[in-house]
Order: sequence, then C-alpha cells, then structure tokens
Amino acid sequence: KQEVTQIPAALSVPEGENLVLNCSFTDSAIYNLQWFRQDPGKGLTSLLLIQSSQREQTSGRLNASLDKSSGRSTLYIAASQPGDSATYLCAVLGTGTASKLTFGTGTRLQVTL
Amino acid sequence: DAGITQSPRHKVTETGTPVTLRCHQTENHRYMYWYRQDPGHGLRLIHYSYGVKDTDKGEVSDGYSVSRSKTEDFLLTLESATSSQTSVYFCAISALAGGQETQYFGPGTRLLVL
Repeated sequence: KQEVTQIPAALSVPEGENLVLNCSFTDSAIYNLQWFRQDPGKGLTSLLLIQSSQREQTSGRLNASLDKSSGRSTLYIAASQPGDSATYLCAVLGTGTASKLTFGTGTRLQVTL
Repeated sequence: DAGITQSPRHKVTETGTPVTLRCHQTENHRYMYWYRQDPGHGLRLIHYSYGVKDTDKGEVSDGYSVSRSKTEDFLLTLESATSSQTSVYFCAISALAGGQETQYFGPGTRLLVL
C-alpha cells in the first residue's frame, strides 16, 4: 500500500525567504506526482505535475523535483510572499487502474510580513 | 475548475439519518471520485466511478455507498450517518492536461453529524 508523508507539517517563514517542502512515498511504481495548494475552506488547486520520467518541473517561483528511486519529491518556493500562505499537498498517481491518487497530509505554510 | 459543482456545500444532520451528497460535472469526464479530508489524514478515497453504473471502493468505503446513473452526476450516500463521518467531502474528476492525467477538485461539502 502506497504511503505518502510530508515534512514539516507546518512552517512559518518571513516574507522573501526561499523554502523547501518535502514529500516522500513508499512505492516507487508511480505514474506521476502532483503538488496541490489548498486555501482555508477551499478545494484543491493543482500547482505542478511531474511525470515519473521527469526530474523536475517549474512554474514561476515554484520548482518541483522528483527522485523516484529514492521515493522523494521537493517543492521549492522562491522569494516567498504572504499570498503563498496555504496548505500544500503532494499526491502520487499509482500505475494501477482507475487513476487513484494517494495524498500526503500536507504542509501548512504561513508567510509573515 | 473543470465545471465541477457539489451540493450541498454545508450540511448539519443527526446521527442515524441518511445523507446524500451530489457531485455534478459538465464536461463528460469518465472518471469521478469521492474523497474525505480529515485533520491528520489528508484526503482519502471513499469510492470512485469509471463510467455510468461502474463504481468501485476506495480506501475508506465502509458506511458509504455511491451511484452514477448519468455521466454528469456522482452521488455519495451515507445510509445512517455517524459522528465519525463528520468531515469535508471532495469530489474530483480525472482529465488529461498537457498529455498528463490529473485530477480536478470540486469546492467541497462540509458535513457535521451531531
């Protein structure tokens, strides 16, 4: 059974700081890995998707890396802003049927002024 | 948002009563999913559907049933609600984006079982 872990569970940083969120998974047989953002009381918004054959993906100030063999992914946020405050979730898509995602428990990020 | 709506958005009910949550999509996607989100557990899959009248269980299916009589609607039913089913429920669809399969989520339904 796939298990996804995110560390730290919560993080508070001052504005402008670069930061790294970590995600680890136990089964390397994945199709892809996604990072989502969730604002309080809202649904999930996809930020980045990395295919199993890729090493990283970038979107603006966000960079996600994937090391499938070691079961790890990182989300790097450059020059953090208060608007980045949210919960960040990683999820892996297994290679089995029905496209089922397995989620981590998330990292709650607060960027302070 | 892939045209996904959920209803109701908030519901308070009593233990032992039946509850049905509705997920509606407008873009004819084949796969639909129901998740619940609880503190310390992240999102966990309850049931999913891979077509009209084709459904299967997820990780936490006990106490829940689903139905899909039309492509656009996926219903989640709690036959006899319990306090442990107090949660936020999310519906999702699976679609291709940039050649890759990804899931898009609805806004969620907050359910409180007293």
